[in-house]
Amino acid sequence: NAGVTQTPKFQVLKTGQSMTLQCAQDMNHNSMYWYRQDPGMGLRLIYYSASEGTTDKGEVPNGYNVSRLNKREFSLRLESAAPSQTSVYFCASSEQGSDQPQHFGDGTRLSIL
Amino acid sequence: GDSVTQMEGPVTLSEEAFLTINCTYTATGYPSLFWYVQYPGEGLQLLLKATKADDKGSNKGFEATYRKETTSFHLEKGSVQVSDSAVYFCALSNHRDDKIIFGKGTRLHILP
Repeated sequence: NAGVTQTPKFQVLKTGQSMTLQCAQDMNHNSMYWYRQDPGMGLRLIYYSASEGTTDKGEVPNGYNVSRLNKREFSLRLESAAPSQTSVYFCASSEQGSDQPQHFGDGTRLSIL
Repeated sequence: GDSVTQMEGPVTLSEEAFLTINCTYTATGYPSLFWYVQYPGEGLQLLLKATKADDKGSNKGFEATYRKETTSFHLEKGSVQVSDSAVYFCALSNHRDDKIIFGKGTRLHILP
């Protein structure tokens, strides 16, 4: 019973490099999310997808792009990594409906040197 | 805009102590309220929720009551255990979309 799977778990990049964080869910959820978690800042929404083929900006979208490849997968891309993007990134999914709980992956710890 | 404010941590208690983590919110209308818990090295998971005023959510010995008059949703547990050590997040959803607004989290340490 995998739930939400994120890869990789850890990554170190140099400034200016690009990479894609992968997320997949096996719960047939329509809604998927990308957050970043920084000390003292809680969770901040980067991008959101209400369904396959749709994406919306969250609170902190600058420097990121997303792709909802299909219903299961939602990827986050850093085109040119910056030290300010050092963070722990979480993917989540939920059924549609504001009362529905979000299910989180275990996170990707990303360091930009 | 909508927001959630929760007490800053860390909170350190001895095992079997009573726990309260305060949470207040600002929102229009009647939001749904949640508490999530994050154990070390893991993602967040839903602890409990309440969807209307005076509702009480409960799970694993934790409780929180939706107080519309004080715009609060304080988390309580009568007797904490070392295994309750984690970060706790208060959150709300205002029914405009499927987004959830999280507080900044409160780190809880329970000493044996």
